Amino acid sequence: GENVGLHLPTLSVQEGDNSIINCAYSNSASDYFIWYKQESGKGPQFIIDIRSNMDKRQGQRVTVLLNKTVKHLSLQIAATQPGDSAVYFCAETRLNSGYSTLTFGKGTMLLVSP
Amino acid sequence: NAGVTQTPKFQVLKTGQSMTLQCAQDMNHEYMSWYRQDPGMGLRLIHYSVGAGITDQGEVPNGYNVSRSTTEDFPLRLLSAAPSQTSVYFCASTKRRGLTGELFFGEGSRLTVL
Repeated sequence: GENVGLHLPTLSVQEGDNSIINCAYSNSASDYFIWYKQESGKGPQFIIDIRSNMDKRQGQRVTVLLNKTVKHLSLQIAATQPGDSAVYFCAETRLNSGYSTLTFGKGTMLLVSP
Repeated sequence: NAGVTQTPKFQVLKTGQSMTLQCAQDMNHEYMSWYRQDPGMGLRLIHYSVGAGITDQGEVPNGYNVSRSTTEDFPLRLLSAAPSQTSVYFCASTKRRGLTGELFFGEGSRLTVL
């Protein structure tokens, strides 16, 4: 939504470059991770997910890497386009009262220049 | 297929007023949730529900009330609005209780409390 980007870390890239957005998660018990993209004025949109029994998963132009040793997640976007400009959130599952809940990171703003 | 529908999109309240944010989904999803989004804070879980008649608190439940009388609807009630509740609110749903699936978000409801 508007003003989501205030105080966020920002990654600025040129069109055609590859982008890498990083995320550190806190709970070693988390077993499922998702990346979301949020364009200005809209709700978050699912990009790609990965389970804790995997260390890499690829989608169309996107790759998620999971390093459980250092509790680190990254999203790689190949051949970044101006339409990729948005805020990107990582999210992790944590058990809460026996049901899974999703906890979001604070987000990274990606700015793509033509 | 409407997906997740939130109303109203914008609302201005005075301190102490009450109101209800509506959320409806037409995907027969078991899991529904409410998040608030503040600048630089990411999305924080307020309340969630894993099915009709079942609700639970998230990270920031104080000042909010929810109920789930049907599978489709999950309203969020502000009992006595405070300026600290000025935020953008997102409703999200997914099919399975275990959250091993994509969360579908609504477009958001921007609330200002004066």
